[in-house]
Amino acid sequence: AQSVTQLDSQVPVFEEAPVELRCNYSSSVSVYLFWYVQYPNQGLQLLLKYLSGSTLVKGINGFEAEFNKSQTSFHLRKPSVHISDTAEYFCAVTVGNAGGTSYGKLTFGQGTILTVHP
Amino acid sequence: GAVVSQHPSRVICKSGTSVKIECRSLDFQATTMFWYRQFPKQSLMLMATSNEGSKATYEQGVEKDKFLINHASLTLSTLTVTSAHPEDSSFYICSAPSARNEKLFFGSGTQLSVL
Repeated sequence: AQSVTQLDSQVPVFEEAPVELRCNYSSSVSVYLFWYVQYPNQGLQLLLKYLSGSTLVKGINGFEAEFNKSQTSFHLRKPSVHISDTAEYFCAVTVGNAGGTSYGKLTFGQGTILTVHP
Repeated sequence: GAVVSQHPSRVICKSGTSVKIECRSLDFQATTMFWYRQFPKQSLMLMATSNEGSKATYEQGVEKDKFLINHASLTLSTLTVTSAHPEDSSFYICSAPSARNEKLFFGSGTQLSVL
């Protein structure tokens, strides 16, 4: 079984400041990693995903994340945040499957609420 | 892009009543849909996998008789919380994979409050 820990439940930052949202996972098998964002009154949207290859993954809206296998981490970063980035962010994992992928059976972290202040 | 529509967004019901939540894929067909539940300050937990034309697959610890899932068509899955109790109060969210299974689309969720 897999588990995901998001170390910060809330992260307040000022506009144009950098931000890092932390995510650690545990698994006895290889995994695929995801970051989702949920804006108020909307469904979850995929920000980025790591399947294989380069450990630095770039996503939408200027976000990026780095997969660190030795640290079992997948922290999300943005060098300069905007007010519009205020949302809840979820880290998730699923078992990696070389024969095909199913992203439905995700294990989520508890979520991190990012609040960007002017 | 593809959209998953979930209704209602919020429902309040009396203890002992049943509540139905609908999840529709609006511009694509979904033979599989997933139902998640999120308790306050906890992570989303997969409850069950809904399969069009066959029985749903429930995760360990989820009561299939309490959480009835019906995947009636390629665009509609419903979750019925039967004989709801206050401990069933939670945020329920559905999702459906894209046609090539490379992306997961989520509904906006349903906040259920059982009085």
